[in-house]
Amino acid sequence: QKEVEQNSGPLSVPEGAIASLNCTYSDRGSQSFFWYRQYSGKSPELIMSIYSNGDKEDGRFTAQLNKASQYVSLLIRDSQPSDSATYLCASYDSARQLTFGSGTQLTVLP
Amino acid sequence: KAGVTQTPRYLIKTRGQQVTLSCSPISGHRSVSWYQQTPGQGLQFLFEYFSETQRNKGNFPGRFSGRQFSNSRSEMNVSTLELGDSALYLCASSLVGDPADEQFFGPGTRLTVL
Repeated sequence: QKEVEQNSGPLSVPEGAIASLNCTYSDRGSQSFFWYRQYSGKSPELIMSIYSNGDKEDGRFTAQLNKASQYVSLLIRDSQPSDSATYLCASYDSARQLTFGSGTQLTVLP
Repeated sequence: KAGVTQTPRYLIKTRGQQVTLSCSPISGHRSVSWYQQTPGQGLQFLFEYFSETQRNKGNFPGRFSGRQFSNSRSEMNVSTLELGDSALYLCASSLVGDPADEQFFGPGTRLTVL
């Protein structure tokens, strides 16, 4: 069973702080990794994709990948109340499927 | 560029009925994947279509089926509906469905089975 594990939270951070979201995956054959944001009642929205070890930055978001540890993370700098949502980690695994974690609920407190 | 569209947005059916959901991918995208999202099971992969062929299938019963047309639009069908089929059904499109392709989701169809 290929799995993607996330802390379900909820995670609360004050406005302006750094929010750190973590994810582990079980399939070593996973080739690419994605972070999606999902607001309540809406569909997932792609934030970041990462394919190789290291960091990838896009605005206030930084994705980190460590294939040896089978670990992916997302850092949100200068968190805003509008960042309050559920964040889904996904891996494109060896079965050619996008497998999702259960999501981490983030609340940014004003 | 228009995003992924799904119709209908909401649907109410009774047990035993069947339902067909429709998805139009982003222009130029040829791969369409379908997912089921429920509070208990999260987001689960149903199947993926590319060039009118089902290329991959998740762990769902045969009551769930789909197809893709030559213009890349896709439909999924659920027959003999059960209460547990109540969920948000999402389709996502990508260029060709390769590992490096990013998938973009439509707004979803909320299915309620009574």
